[in-house]
Amino acid sequence: ETGVTQSPTHLIKTRGQQVTLRCSSQSGHNTVSWYQQALGQGPQFIFQYYREEENGRGNFPPRFSGLQFPNYSSELNVNALELDDSALYLCASSPPGLHTDTQYFGPGTRLTVL
Amino acid sequence: AQSVTQPDIHITVSEGASLELRCNYSYGATPYLFWYVQSPGQGLQLLLKYFSGDTLVQGIKGFEAEFKRSQSSFNLRKPSVHWSDAAEYFCAVGPNTGNQFYFGTGTSLTVIP
Repeated sequence: ETGVTQSPTHLIKTRGQQVTLRCSSQSGHNTVSWYQQALGQGPQFIFQYYREEENGRGNFPPRFSGLQFPNYSSELNVNALELDDSALYLCASSPPGLHTDTQYFGPGTRLTVL
Repeated sequence: AQSVTQPDIHITVSEGASLELRCNYSYGATPYLFWYVQSPGQGLQLLLKYFSGDTLVQGIKGFEAEFKRSQSSFNLRKPSVHWSDAAEYFCAVGPNTGNQFYFGTGTSLTVIP
């Protein structure tokens, strides 16, 4: 069984640019959540997608947007990058069923904004 | 407001010694509680979770945690620490309908020989 995978592993962008991060959920999982983890901090919830629809959003501006595809993979898009967007971006998938709250995390994408 | 507090930023223990990592939460309803471990440069691995029932839950790698509603705590314990346990540990609380999780700021564990 393949776990959650993310690409790319590392990324360097400059302020004002746009970035797209990708996540493949674990087989059979239909819910994907995205988190931002700044250095020395815990992950902060960005948003969640369930069956291709946004299903909750944290305190992040609209320039953070996402997509979920029919195969349940997902993208996180960030426009107009700011220096504070530098962080580890984590994707987590959850299986369908009663305990959908159990999230399985990918290794993350390290984004550096210069 | 929902929040998670991990009071200890950094803990150092000797290999073979016991370990307890503290977690306190603030949540308006019955929470789902989790402990995750993160090795450097890696994602988060689920150690254990509490949804309901027995307040002492067992997890992987010999870890356990106890839910104490009266103290709003969910402390993680291990009777004998191994050098490979050195990592960052995160406590998290989530709703029982599956949506937004709240993570603590983490406790960094160093294990000395």
